[in-house]
Amino acid sequence: DQQVKQNSPSLSVQEGRISILNCDYTNSMFDYFLWYKKYPAEGPTFLISISSIKDKNEDGRFTVFLNKSAKHLSLHIVPSQPGDSAVYFCAAGLGGSQGNLIFGKGTKLSVKP
Amino acid sequence: GAGVSQSPSNKVTEKGKDVELRCDPISGHTALYWYRQSLGQGLEFLIYFQGNSAPDKSGLPSDRFSAERTGGSVSTLTIQRTQQEDSAVYLCASSRGTARADTQYFGPGTRLTVL
Repeated sequence: DQQVKQNSPSLSVQEGRISILNCDYTNSMFDYFLWYKKYPAEGPTFLISISSIKDKNEDGRFTVFLNKSAKHLSLHIVPSQPGDSAVYFCAAGLGGSQGNLIFGKGTKLSVKP
Repeated sequence: GAGVSQSPSNKVTEKGKDVELRCDPISGHTALYWYRQSLGQGLEFLIYFQGNSAPDKSGLPSDRFSAERTGGSVSTLTIQRTQQEDSAVYLCASSRGTARADTQYFGPGTRLTVL
């Protein structure tokens, strides 16, 4: 049973508009969450994270929102750029450790010029 | 500076053969992780090493899978008697430690195809 779910396998947005990528989780014990970006033939790269004690974390064009009651988090990219086209993975962790992160299946974002 | 490197980048093998995948972490990183990504799936945790502690092997799917980390640096993931379902991209990552703030840096992966 998937503990971290990204229900949209793909998303297409126009350059300059907002991209919203969603992630749901089932284990209420997860205490921090991360987003990674992956280009083809490369390893994932860390994008942004959020602790369960917060509901928002912002870094430039990227903002992650956490709704603990709904067990839902989302990544907002504003404005979207063609270089943002990649697969985005949501991950969740327990006990403040990087060990044994649980990843979702990813959402492929395409930003059209 | 040098990132995480993995070799080979591609490996094709026949069912039943053993394979070894290598990971060179970033110098000075004490933590090293192995994941795999099967087609259409997310990253699946396999094993991680932290310093001199016993590795966390909780993600290894069967006893055909094993990993070593020699001298606290290079790691080798070994798959014995490979099966077709072992076909996947195997990713290695390293981090300074395993605290929340210690970002994992990933290598480009090894694509394993078992015929």
